[in-house]
Amino acid sequence: AQSVTQLDSQVPVFEEAPVELRCNYSSSVSVYLFWYVQYPNQGLQLLLKYLSGSTLVKGINGFEAEFNKSQTSFHLRKPSVHISDTAEYFCAVSVAAGNEKLTFGTGTRLTIIP
Amino acid sequence: DAMVIQNPRYQVTQFGKPVTLSCSQTLNHNVMYWYQQKSSQAPKLLFHYYDKDFNNEADTPDNFQSRRPNTSFCFLDIRSPGLGDAAMYLCATSRHQGATNEKLFFGSGTQLSVL
Repeated sequence: AQSVTQLDSQVPVFEEAPVELRCNYSSSVSVYLFWYVQYPNQGLQLLLKYLSGSTLVKGINGFEAEFNKSQTSFHLRKPSVHISDTAEYFCAVSVAAGNEKLTFGTGTRLTIIP
Repeated sequence: DAMVIQNPRYQVTQFGKPVTLSCSQTLNHNVMYWYQQKSSQAPKLLFHYYDKDFNNEADTPDNFQSRRPNTSFCFLDIRSPGLGDAAMYLCATSRHQGATNEKLFFGSGTQLSVL
């Protein structure tokens, strides 16, 4: 079975600084990878996803992530964060075939410091 | 513009008293999911409906039931809530079965407290 690990439960970052949120996955087969964001008092929404092709994936709100198969990672990055990026970020993985469910990580709370 | 709507936003119930959480969608999606999200933990899939077909996760307790009377609505019934059932409950939808490469649309969640 697949799993995903987000080692950082909380990440404080100064406004306009760059940020990287780490995600590592484990699977014996090919996977699809996702990042979801949960703003305060809202549901989760998709930031970006990797299905195949280019390993650098661009998403909404200036975020991007890079799929690294050798390191089994899918880290999320943004070159310059804003106050509005304060949220919980979830990495998720699913098997690249069939009707498999998403498996979520435990989330990383990103706090932007003015 | 809300596409997946969950009511209420906060729900308080008593230990052992049945409670129902509701979810509605305006997307006409075939699939509806219920996730349980405890504090500092990953959202955990409880079950999902593909149209009228109910799919229970193997480790979902019998205490949790679900109903989908039509495409738009889905309910989560907790027959005898325990203190350990206090959590955020998230409803989500997708067009097709399985979230392999489909985008999930989430509601804002219902925060359940058990006294």
